[in-house]
Amino acid sequence: QKEVEQNSGPLSVPEGAIASLNCTYSDRVSQSFFWYRQYSGKSPELIMSIYSNGDKEDGRFTAQLNKASQYVSLLIRDSQPSDSATYLCAVKPYRGSTLGRLYFGRGTQLTVWP
Amino acid sequence: NAGVMQNPRHLVRRRGQEARLRCSPMKGHSHVYWYRQLPEEGLKFMVYLQKENIIDESGMPKERFSAEFPKEGPSILRIQQVVRGDSAAYFCASSPPLAGSTDTQYFGPGTRLTVL
Repeated sequence: QKEVEQNSGPLSVPEGAIASLNCTYSDRVSQSFFWYRQYSGKSPELIMSIYSNGDKEDGRFTAQLNKASQYVSLLIRDSQPSDSATYLCAVKPYRGSTLGRLYFGRGTQLTVWP
Repeated sequence: NAGVMQNPRHLVRRRGQEARLRCSPMKGHSHVYWYRQLPEEGLKFMVYLQKENIIDESGMPKERFSAEFPKEGPSILRIQQVVRGDSAAYFCASSPPLAGSTDTQYFGPGTRLTVL
């Protein structure tokens, strides 16, 4: 049974603060991890992908992966009101010729207040 | 470079009718995935297709739902005899061929199905 768990929130932070979003997964052979952002009524938009243990930074976003602990996180620095959305964690079992499906968490709703 | 395209964006059907949802992947992408998002819930995988092949349909309900990705034209998700519980947002995603490229999936704008 492959499960992806996220705190549903809502998570509320002031503008300029760091928002920390967490995700745990149950399948130890998972190799690909993704963070998507979804605004209300819109489609998921890819923010970050991460495949190796450690940190990966892209602008104000940092993804962190710890395979031993089976968790992946997303940090948003200098949060802006425009970051207010639902953040979806997605996990893919492993790369290569296997099935391509993603397993999604239910998402964490983030609100950044001015 | 056009992204993933879906149509229609909104679809209203009465119970018992058929719903047909279309998805054109990004240029160069040969893998298509369909996901369903019920209100206040996460995305649930339905089916994974390549051209003329269904690779994984383990997320598809056994009855009334079918999907295809023909050699020419868009991928189609078909729901026969719709019921109110089928009301949801249906998203299509595509990814490039796995060899030598990333396995990232890019999502289309979705089709919001409402069953009256």
